[in-house]
Amino acid sequence: DARVTQTPRDKVTEMGQEVTMRCQPILGHNTVFWYRQTMMQGLELLAYFRNRAPLDDSGMPKDRFSAEMPDATLATLKIQPSEPRDSAVYFCASGLSGYGYTFGSGTRLTVV
Amino acid sequence: GQQLNQSPQSMFIQEGEDVSMNCTSSSIFNTWLWYKQDPGEGPVLLIALYKAGELTSNGRLTAQFGITRKDSFLNISASIPSDVGIYFCAGRSSGNTGKLIFGQGTTLQVKP
Repeated sequence: DARVTQTPRDKVTEMGQEVTMRCQPILGHNTVFWYRQTMMQGLELLAYFRNRAPLDDSGMPKDRFSAEMPDATLATLKIQPSEPRDSAVYFCASGLSGYGYTFGSGTRLTVV
Repeated sequence: GQQLNQSPQSMFIQEGEDVSMNCTSSSIFNTWLWYKQDPGEGPVLLIALYKAGELTSNGRLTAQFGITRKDSFLNISASIPSDVGIYFCAGRSSGNTGKLIFGQGTTLQVKP
């Protein structure tokens, strides 16, 4: 089965450090999402791309978060500097526009 | 912004019982999706609905796209222990092509 691959699986970092999360979408999928999941807020949409172009990043704190797709096989989400309130599970999902999306297993980020 | 109200928040049922959960929105959606999330994993797509009134089954799961396009429900028949998890509805409106909004989830526990 085709799958969305996210790395790292777990990340513990100190406050103020830069964090980069990576996602390899399923080959052929033209839409990529980044979501953040916390107990309090549930699944929040941070950003999404269509054909590698950013469509909406209104859910992302712009001062510290950035999302890019340097090529069709890689999406990145970067936090600089990280803060304890960024601790969450970050999910990447990919799909074809207009259809359901496949999620990765997530990156569990802990900022201490 | 758009919001999805998912209910109930949690359910604790006996194995063999049927389960029903639903989502409502203040906005019209053109797609409804139902996902299940197991601990430590990303959400997995169960059923996708693309037309108002559509009724779709996947094994013991049945979901319907409401006629008003503002609601959807998911039924699970004859529940089994492996149905345990968090179920999410997600909706996509025509005004935000591809942007997927998630409900807060229904936590299902099944007592053997």
